Amino acid sequence: QQQVKQSPQSLIVQKGGISIINCAYENTAFDYFPWYQQFPGKGPALLIAIRPDVSEKKEGRFTISFNKSAKQFSLHIMDSQPGDSATYFCAASSSGAGSYQLTFGKGTKLSVIP
Amino acid sequence: SQTIHQWPATLVQPVGSPLSLECTVEGTSNPNLYWYRQAAGRGLQLLFYSVGIGQISSEVPQNLSASRPQDRQFILSSKKLLLSDSGFYLCAWTPVRRTFYNEQFFGPGTRLTVL
Repeated sequence: QQQVKQSPQSLIVQKGGISIINCAYENTAFDYFPWYQQFPGKGPALLIAIRPDVSEKKEGRFTISFNKSAKQFSLHIMDSQPGDSATYFCAASSSGAGSYQLTFGKGTKLSVIP
Repeated sequence: SQTIHQWPATLVQPVGSPLSLECTVEGTSNPNLYWYRQAAGRGLQLLFYSVGIGQISSEVPQNLSASRPQDRQFILSSKKLLLSDSGFYLCAWTPVRRTFYNEQFFGPGTRLTVL
């Protein structure tokens, strides 16, 4: 019940295309859903996050879509660029007392080809 | 502003040798601190987390231990390294009370190779 399932494992997109990464969760107590971007040899960086009181959040070319009833959320990268090539992790957390952990998906390696 | 440091950046150690990795956070107080390990091409495995000085929670029983001797210092140790300890070790912190949510910020990582 603590898992976050992420797909696909890898993704190849042409420059200018839309990259879509999906995550699904089981724990209905989760109420915080961040996405991290990791370049090779670097630590993950917080990219964008959403809380379940909204169905969509957009920051520049990055958008999170959230479907509470389906317990799914996704990251959309519009106008994908070669510089977006990285590994993306979704995560989830609950804000309950004593809850200190993020549950991470296994990651998606995105390659944007020119 | 807050920053997180990890050292060393890279480390090559023989099997059976001891290990000490250090993580420090600047510009905040009383953060929650975390150690993760990432195997090559794999996801993030939470090893330890700490909500205060001397308070350590272990998530995966293994060859490693953690300590928090000071508020903003988190140390990962081993008495005898195994080949399977190789990986990319990441420290992360969460600002307590700034947000109700577990917004974690990661350090630059330490690449450990055990030969």
